[in-house]
Amino acid sequence: QVQLVESGGGVVQPGGSLRLSCAASGFIFSSYGIYWVRQAPGKGLEWVAYIRYDGSNKYYGDSVKGRFTISRDNSKNTVYLQMNSLRTEDTAMYYCAKDESGYSNWGQGTLVTVSS
Amino acid sequence: DIVMTQSPDSLAVSLGERATINCKSSQSVLSRSDNRNYLAWYQQKPGQPPKKLISWASTRENGVPDRFTGSGSGTDFTLTISSLEAEDVAVYYCHQYYSTPPHTFGQGTKLEIK
Repeated sequence: QVQLVESGGGVVQPGGSLRLSCAASGFIFSSYGIYWVRQAPGKGLEWVAYIRYDGSNKYYGDSVKGRFTISRDNSKNTVYLQMNSLRTEDTAMYYCAKDESGYSNWGQGTLVTVSS
Repeated sequence: DIVMTQSPDSLAVSLGERATINCKSSQSVLSRSDNRNYLAWYQQKPGQPPKKLISWASTRENGVPDRFTGSGSGTDFTLTISSLEAEDVAVYYCHQYYSTPPHTFGQGTKLEIK
């Protein structure tokens, strides 16, 4: 079955960097776009980034543009989110999701905490 | 960006009664090319990721109970739970995936038992 597993979260100081990974299985990974969505503690869902199935197009939310970079390695069935210049407001659970008629499958998330 | 506004923010309904959640988009999410509404509904229970219930405004995902119904078109949408069960307590989000990203979410509606 479709599975998405996020990793790479942790505690980082403001201004620091983290790289999140989203490892996929159970479907033809190279045929689907992947999204990142985040959720601050006790808050709603915020769209973060998207990468097309072949990596040819990438989109970012305004709050992360210029600081985050999405990429993928179809040989490893993995999408990455490089997060630089982290701010306290980036503290959230980060989910990856598969692009199919909306966001059809979600991982369990990885928690990023930005704190001094 | 398309703004999604849900109402109400929270809702308390008795078991067995109907629950209705509304969602309004700041511009139409109906595609003229394929006549589809690019609108989904998600359910999120505490400590879990969101789960897609409905896509294309009214198409129920496999395994979703038929007490969940999505309706509407253009800019106005509704999620209806016909007979509330205890397991339906959750936060519900509408979400537009129209055209190129960003794909925005509503602010969420918290559904509780009265």
